[in-house]
Amino acid sequence: SQQGEEDPQALSIQEGENATMNCSYKTSINNLQWYRQNSGRGLVHLILIRSNEREKHSGRLRVTLDTSKKSSSLLITASRAADTASYFCATAFPSASNTGKLIFGQGTTLQVKP
Amino acid sequence: DTEVTQTPKHLVMGMTNKKSLKCEQHMGHRAMYWYKQKAKKPPELMFVYSYEKLSINESVPSRFSPECPNSSLLNLHLHALQPEDSALYLCASSQEGSGRGQFFGPGTRLTVL
Repeated sequence: SQQGEEDPQALSIQEGENATMNCSYKTSINNLQWYRQNSGRGLVHLILIRSNEREKHSGRLRVTLDTSKKSSSLLITASRAADTASYFCATAFPSASNTGKLIFGQGTTLQVKP
Repeated sequence: DTEVTQTPKHLVMGMTNKKSLKCEQHMGHRAMYWYKQKAKKPPELMFVYSYEKLSINESVPSRFSPECPNSSLLNLHLHALQPEDSALYLCASSQEGSGRGQFFGPGTRLTVL
């Protein structure tokens, strides 16, 4: 079942520019996480924001969460060519029976041109 | 050691073969996961193990059989697979409540002929 929708599906920017990706979801969540995946490889956890948090920062990453709109955004500032990857949001559910269960959005493919 | 390892990296098998995928972590995580990922799609959860017990099975066909021999190891036994099962199989682990998300292995690229 799909929980997260992301937009844009693809984003191409120049090095040094900022990149913003958006994620929407459908049901109540415990937390929302963002992951990066380089082509055909494993995912790397970037940041987790809990349902009672509104904004979180980690280095060049800024994540916001609006539970009333069921949406989140990931901002990457001062992008680098090495940021080229697919980015996925993933939602975790509050119920005990679903502990550990993550549902991933469709992903945004980011290309940063040098 | 903050790594999840998976073997093999690549696997080609026929529809009548039996094979196993292996996953290992030494971070003391008590939750481990199998995901399936098709090209240009997000990972789809297959199984969750919590404290070595199967806690979530996302209605996965019985030709996929998970096993958790101990807290560091996770296997996925494959039998009588179909060509549409060809995908990247990802293993992950996590420590509940840590706020650090799931740690993923590099995956096994499976091709079923």
